[in-house]
Amino acid sequence: GNSVTQMEGPVTLSEEAFLTINCTYTATGYPSLFWYVQYPGEGLQLLLKATKADDKGSNKGFEATYRKETTSFHLEKGSVQVSDSAVYFCALQMDSSYKLIFGSGTRLLVRP
Amino acid sequence: DTGVSQDPRHKITKRGQNVTFRCDPISEHNRLYWYRQTLGQGPEFLTYFQNEAQLEKSRLLSDRFSAERPKGSFSTLEIQRTEQGDSAMYLCASSLGSRVQETQYFGPGTRLLVL
Repeated sequence: GNSVTQMEGPVTLSEEAFLTINCTYTATGYPSLFWYVQYPGEGLQLLLKATKADDKGSNKGFEATYRKETTSFHLEKGSVQVSDSAVYFCALQMDSSYKLIFGSGTRLLVRP
Repeated sequence: DTGVSQDPRHKITKRGQNVTFRCDPISEHNRLYWYRQTLGQGPEFLTYFQNEAQLEKSRLLSDRFSAERPKGSFSTLEIQRTEQGDSAMYLCASSLGSRVQETQYFGPGTRLLVL
């Protein structure tokens, strides 16, 4: 079935470090891909998305590129801040359904 | 716009009891979703509504679970004869539009603990 695999956390970085969180997917067809973020004590929020191959989603300094050849959608940020500490979820959605299929999440901790 | 709201935020119940959760979506959003999230995992889809019609249900939604959206506005999720395995965060989301890929806006969740 369709699924998403994320790197296990926690990922601990110092402020201003470069961030990569890996996400790969398995899907029959060409899904849309999403990154959601969950800050402490808050609900899930959409961070960025890409709906077709080679699309790049970006928001708040985060970027991810939809790579069909490697079935990946890795999240990157050039310089993380303490306020980026959160749990990040990669998700996919097929054209045939409105449901989101999430990975297990990656916790990011940024130290000052 | 106010966001998606859920009530209650926390619920503790004893095994075998029934519980009901409520979700109020963002005003005018025509689609409403329920997900379940257990500790250390990502949310898992349970069901979704387009207006008042329930259009998709996961196999996770056993016979003990029922969801309604009677007038296409708020929704309720009821769990009958709760089991300890039902302990989880229950998330509601809503979206507006006619296309897949539209943004789903999530509520803060209802955390259920079954003793």
